Amino acid sequence: GQQVMQIPQYQHVQEGEDFTTYCNSSTTLSNIQWYKQRPGGHPVFLIQLVKSGEVKKQKRLTFQFGEAKKNSSLHITATQTTDVGTYFCAAPEGDSNYQLIWGAGTKLIIKP
Amino acid sequence: NAGVTQTPKFQVLKTGQSMTLQCAQDMNHEYMSWYRQDPGMGLRLIHYSVGAGITDQGEVPNGYNVSRSTTEDFPLRLLSAAPSQTSVYFCASSQSIGGRQPQHFGDGTRLSIL
Repeated sequence: GQQVMQIPQYQHVQEGEDFTTYCNSSTTLSNIQWYKQRPGGHPVFLIQLVKSGEVKKQKRLTFQFGEAKKNSSLHITATQTTDVGTYFCAAPEGDSNYQLIWGAGTKLIIKP
Repeated sequence: NAGVTQTPKFQVLKTGQSMTLQCAQDMNHEYMSWYRQDPGMGLRLIHYSVGAGITDQGEVPNGYNVSRSTTEDFPLRLLSAAPSQTSVYFCASSQSIGGRQPQHFGDGTRLSIL
């Protein structure tokens, strides 16, 4: 079935450094969603990208959707301790849009 | 503003026992779903519902049953618990079709099967 590959699995950064996670699909996606899950918490919706080449910003977070709508990225500038957590991408399966397929997540760890 | 409420928050079962995980939402959302989350993995869809009286299987439905008698409630039943079902279970809801709308999650149920 359809898969969404997300890399890296972990990223250790010093506070103030940048962070990026990538999601890739072998098929064209109708849209892609991004979520953040704090340790011990539940996923919280961040944003949805729909258009080819779309770029959206939320303060220090920049989300991009590839021109071919097969990949997406989330970039955090100047990480802060509040950014700690796991970031997931999720995309609808096939044409039905009834099911979301999730990436495995990228865990952001801030080095002391 | 309750959103999505899951009960219980923690549960320990013995192999072979059955139980029901409760999920309720107060946002009048049509779409509801159940996921399981295992360490180092993303969320995997167990079952979903597009409205009262309508349910369908997700990626990993075996060993679980659901029903949707009302818009608000979407319980998940474990028929005969197995250690492989040890996981964190999340219920989610959205306004309409799951793949097009932001998902609102409950706090999760942490389930251990001994």
